[in-house]
Amino acid sequence: DVVMTQTPLSLSVTPGQPASISCKSSQSLLHSDGKTYLSWFLQKPGQSPQLLIYELSSRFSGVPDRFSGSGSGTDFTLKISRVEAEDVGLYYCMQGIHLPKTFGQGTKVEIK
Amino acid sequence: QVQLVQSGAEVKKPGASVKVSCKASGYTFTDWYMHWVRQAPGQGLEWMGWISPNTGDTNYAQKFQGRVTMTRDTSISTAYMELSRLRSDDTAVYYCARSGGFDYWGQGTLVTVSS
Repeated sequence: DVVMTQTPLSLSVTPGQPASISCKSSQSLLHSDGKTYLSWFLQKPGQSPQLLIYELSSRFSGVPDRFSGSGSGTDFTLKISRVEAEDVGLYYCMQGIHLPKTFGQGTKVEIK
Repeated sequence: QVQLVQSGAEVKKPGASVKVSCKASGYTFTDWYMHWVRQAPGQGLEWMGWISPNTGDTNYAQKFQGRVTMTRDTSISTAYMELSRLRSDDTAVYYCARSGGFDYWGQGTLVTVSS
């Protein structure tokens, strides 16, 4: 199975400051169709996960532009340009190219 | 708008089976695969498998092979996930999620396995 490793596992951020989460996969997520099947999700407390970023860098409908995804091959990053109070929760990366689909361990983001 | 509405919480004894439903609305049910993901208390997300509502084809994670069965009823736009021979470590919230990047998720169904 493809192992997804997130760092850090927790992050405390001052509102208005940037934040960055790293995700590394044990195999390449680049498909022959040219797309990289890496997604990011946010699970707010007590809620279901919600899609933020798909195919490496595409923001899902309604996701604020302060969220951005980047990377290539096996190294990926989610950046929040200016953290807001509503951004608290658990962030997960997921690879969607290999079966079984696998998730990172999660990164807990809290506000200072 | 796309909605996935799951059935309510369940309490089961070890060795029993549970069947969770996921009713889809707001889109053509047969156009998108449906995935099932679970989350044990305080733990991360674990993919269980998918079903094609159009054909009924399924693909299960190796871990659940032989214990999980995913089905669908296209007449009511509902997908089902049945897990058998339940153990205490199957206690988790079970989610359905639409394919297309897991863009929409159900609200989750808590399954508690306890004697």
